[in-house]
Amino acid sequence: QKEVEQDPGPLSVPEGAIVSLNCTYSNSAFQYFMWYRQYSRKGPELLMYTYSSGNKEDGRFTAQVDKSSKYISLFIRDSQPSDSATYLCAMSAPGGGATNKLIFGTGTLLAVQP
Amino acid sequence: DVKVTQSSRYLVKRTGEKVFLECVQDMDHENMFWYRQDPGLGLRLIYFSYDVKMKEKGDIPEGYSVSREKKERFSLILESASTNQTSMYLCASSFTEGAYEQYFGPGTRLTVT
Repeated sequence: QKEVEQDPGPLSVPEGAIVSLNCTYSNSAFQYFMWYRQYSRKGPELLMYTYSSGNKEDGRFTAQVDKSSKYISLFIRDSQPSDSATYLCAMSAPGGGATNKLIFGTGTLLAVQP
Repeated sequence: DVKVTQSSRYLVKRTGEKVFLECVQDMDHENMFWYRQDPGLGLRLIYFSYDVKMKEKGDIPEGYSVSREKKERFSLILESASTNQTSMYLCASSFTEGAYEQYFGPGTRLTVT
């Protein structure tokens, strides 16, 4: 079983739709939860991060963490064609050295149709 | 803006060749990372470095080595390239404090024939 599971999609939605992207994980030591966005032929860029449980909102984006269910979500409101990209979840456990590394999901490819 | 640059966007090498991939960051980050990205497998950590001349193996270090002689530069070396090393290679860097925020380069698409 992978430490982080993510549906690869592709997910195709019409412009203006609400998008829900999800990841599950198995390691209860994870405390940092990140969403990275990767446009075609580019490197990933950090979109949002959350420490421990709860919600975080940034404009049209909301990140949710449910540690009891080991489940994280990214919601995109009023989706735009410019949101079309691969979305990668990533997680990390606190600590030094090797435990600072990020564990990535495989990514979900999102296409927002105009 | 943080900038992470990689020496090549596309590279084609032959089996058995020694391959060098270079990465440079301009933000004085302590940590630097090398990943490979493959369809269905996501990003997998090859090696990382938390200081000059320091390195640690990631999840898939076999067939690779690294070098960090200066803080801003981290090199990935394929000693004898093989076809199963055909992949997208991504370099990243971060501060130790807030290591979750990694800044990625644009990637090098390596094809080994």
